[in-house]
Amino acid sequence: DTAVSQTPKYLVTQMGNDKSIKCEQNLGHDTMYWYKQDSKKFLKIMFSYNNKELIINETVPNRFSPKSPDKAHLNLHINSLELGDSAVYFCASSQTGTGVYGYTFGSGTRLTVV
Amino acid sequence: AQSVTQLDSHVSVSEGTPVLLRCNYSSSYSPSLFWYVQHPNKGLQLLLKYTSAATLVKGINGFEAEFKKSETSFHLTKPSAHMSDAAEYFCVVSLSSGTYKYIFGTGTRLKVLA
Repeated sequence: DTAVSQTPKYLVTQMGNDKSIKCEQNLGHDTMYWYKQDSKKFLKIMFSYNNKELIINETVPNRFSPKSPDKAHLNLHINSLELGDSAVYFCASSQTGTGVYGYTFGSGTRLTVV
Repeated sequence: AQSVTQLDSHVSVSEGTPVLLRCNYSSSYSPSLFWYVQHPNKGLQLLLKYTSAATLVKGINGFEAEFKKSETSFHLTKPSAHMSDAAEYFCVVSLSSGTYKYIFGTGTRLKVLA
């Protein structure tokens, strides 16, 4: 019974390709997030959706586009992949937009651009 | 500006000895504070959270943390380290005004020696 599941777990692709990462949560949470973890383990928020509405959109290249078809799903599409996009991408969800009860994270998608 | 500083990037302890992972925060508002643990190639798991209730917070796996407003600190402790505690630990502050989002510390890698 995975609470927050991401697919794929690993993604190796060439520069210039377009790829998507999918995320689903079965916790009934209202808010979902995408975080990027770089090689130094630093975590930075990219996007947040609350009930399918975009509420946080950090300074990320517009090659990254999130899509939330419903509040249980938040997908991340990346166009024209670059070497610098290589990282681990984590999806997370929280009960409310404040996150005061904590986040539940997925196990990550390791993206390698070659 | 809100920020969180983890004072040690690496901590090594012997099995059975106490653990102290230090975290200082800066926030203009009443913060919510969290500690998360990340085992190798895994997602992040919530250890404990402070949300303006008791200042001494107990979490999972024997960890606890004390919120000290006068010192703007939220250090994580455990009386006796276990080999399974070896992981990366992140201190997180949740902004409680405006757009809610997590600010992650840069992480502390805990090594437990046999």
